[in-house]
Amino acid sequence: DIQLTQSPSTLSASVGDRVTITCRASQSISTWLAWYQQKAGKDPKLLIYEASSLESGVPSRFSGSGSGTEFTLTISSLQPEDFATYYCQHYNGHFGGGTKVEIK
Amino acid sequence: EVQLVESGGGLVQPGGSLRLSCAASGFTFSSYWMSWVRQAPGKGLEWVANIKRDGSEKYYVDSVKGRFTISTDNARNSLYLQMNSLRAEDTAVYYCTRDERWGQGTLVTVSS
Repeated sequence: DIQLTQSPSTLSASVGDRVTITCRASQSISTWLAWYQQKAGKDPKLLIYEASSLESGVPSRFSGSGSGTEFTLTISSLQPEDFATYYCQHYNGHFGGGTKVEIK
Repeated sequence: EVQLVESGGGLVQPGGSLRLSCAASGFTFSSYWMSWVRQAPGKGLEWVANIKRDGSEKYYVDSVKGRFTISTDNARNSLYLQMNSLRAEDTAVYYCTRDERWGQGTLVTVSS
């Protein structure tokens, strides 16, 4: 059973900051990883698929990288609408515990 | 375009049963692993179960083992989740997923 460990669980940042969230897999998952954004009361929104491919319509300030067991989601310049919770997921498998991005 | 449409959610009493369905289109259904994920109110996302493309392998999160059964009907391009012995903690929105593509979800409420 492949487990994902996401860090940090909470992140306080300011508008304009560069933000990085990490997701570590308990064994190699190649690039079979997606990143989602979820705002309160809303469905999750796909941001990144196959570890580094930007979903259509998602702003280019979001990027994903990594393969094997270590992955990162980066927001290059945090915008007010980016304050949300972010999840990584191994395709057809477990999610990371989530990272809540809060206003500093 | 990948489309996944769930149905079958609703209100059920503790100990009851419910069968969720997911109608898939826009891709070769029999070529993909499929999954169910859920989100309880105010909680994080949780993977529930998955099934191999030919149905030969099925995996479940520990909390539903022995109570939930995932299955597919490749002729109907459909995914199912049979949920028995339902508990209050199974209350959640259930999503049908194929890799990173999700349906809109169906709400299951377990309450007396």
